[in-house]
Amino acid sequence: NAGVTQTPKFRILKIGQSMTLQCTQDMNHNYMYWYRQDPGMGLKLIYYSVGAGITDKGEVPNGYNVSRSTTEDFPLRLELAAPSQTSVYFCASSYRMTGGLNTEAFFGQGTRLTVV
Amino acid sequence: GIQVEQSPPDLILQEGANSTLRCNFSDSVNNLQWFHQNPWGQLINLFYIPSGTKQNGRLSATTVATERYSLLYISSSQTTDSGVYFCAVVVRDSNYQLIWGAGTKLIIKP
Repeated sequence: NAGVTQTPKFRILKIGQSMTLQCTQDMNHNYMYWYRQDPGMGLKLIYYSVGAGITDKGEVPNGYNVSRSTTEDFPLRLELAAPSQTSVYFCASSYRMTGGLNTEAFFGQGTRLTVV
Repeated sequence: GIQVEQSPPDLILQEGANSTLRCNFSDSVNNLQWFHQNPWGQLINLFYIPSGTKQNGRLSATTVATERYSLLYISSSQTTDSGVYFCAVVVRDSNYQLIWGAGTKLIIKP
């Protein structure tokens, strides 16, 4: 039972480079999220998706893009990496039942990104 | 927006001690989760507890939604309990996104 899988686990980027962080879940969850965590802080929401084809901005979306072409996958794209994007990135998913409130979130292992 | 406050911010205990971590929230919430972030950065789901009391081994949690707080109890602490404990709430008006507290950093000394 894989749950939420993120790749890569670690990455070093040079300023101005681009990359895609991959996230996939096998729990048939409707909701998926990308968070970043800066040292000593809680998590901040970057983008989220309530289903395939639907995405929306969170608290800190600048410098990032997402897409949701399938229920399983929710990649996060950094177009022009900046030192301020050095952080740990977490992908999460949850299942929102119609008429219910089953919103327990499950997290991936995280991606540690350094921009130099 | 809703505020989520955790206390204490830091806690240092000897192995075998008991502890209580608190999470206060400023508005009605749909759900609440407790997470443990271990020293390697992994986020581990501890409890999904919108109300009531749950127990899992040495850990238990109680949420009193009407009074807007939740407590996490750790008994007979072990060094592997070290890390940061986060409380996160789900709010009806925020499209069911998690709103996070700042965490309690727990260090268990052998």
